[in-house]
Amino acid sequence: AQSVTQLGSHVSVSEGALVLLRCNYSSSVPPYLFWYVQYPNQGLQLLLKYTTGATLVKGINGFEAEFKKSETSFHLTKPSAHMSDAAEYFCAVSDDSGNTGKLIFGQGTTLQVKP
Amino acid sequence: EAGVTQFPSHSVIEKGQTVTLRCDPISGHDNLYWYRRVMGKEIKFLLHFVKESKQDESGMPNNRFLAERTGGTYSTLKVQPAELEDSGVYFCASSHAGQFEAFFGQGTRLTVV
Repeated sequence: AQSVTQLGSHVSVSEGALVLLRCNYSSSVPPYLFWYVQYPNQGLQLLLKYTTGATLVKGINGFEAEFKKSETSFHLTKPSAHMSDAAEYFCAVSDDSGNTGKLIFGQGTTLQVKP
Repeated sequence: EAGVTQFPSHSVIEKGQTVTLRCDPISGHDNLYWYRRVMGKEIKFLLHFVKESKQDESGMPNNRFLAERTGGTYSTLKVQPAELEDSGVYFCASSHAGQFEAFFGQGTRLTVV
């Protein structure tokens, strides 16, 4: 069965510091991978996705993620954190059972940005 | 273009009562998904509609949950009777046919007391 593991339920960084949110997945077929963000009192917003092709994927708000098949990882990074990046981040993998678009989510990581 | 809209945003009901959640997907999106996040846990898939047909309802917890999508437009998720463990945030998402990018609503926070 597929699964997604996000290391660290809470991550705290200083403004201007590197953001690194870790995501590892298990999948029996080449996965489609996603990062979503949820700002307070809002819905989930797609940050970026990997389907095929280039393994370094750039998303909105300066975020990027790299698909590493050998490590079964899809870590999310941003070179310099901004106060507005404080939110909860979710890594997800598409279900491989039939191309339905169904997503399997990790537990979420809350990012705190300190001034 | 309007996004995915969910009603209500919050609902507090007593154990044993009935609650109906509504989701209006983005116009033209054939795929509609329901997910749930129980406090402290991951977001979990409940079911998937393609137009008005249930494609996959493997995530529905039990027969107290009933989802419908009449006419292939909006969807409702009814919980009857509600139990304490049904508390959580219910998300709806929609996508175009053949597309993996799903757009999520803001969620309905359900509290059963």
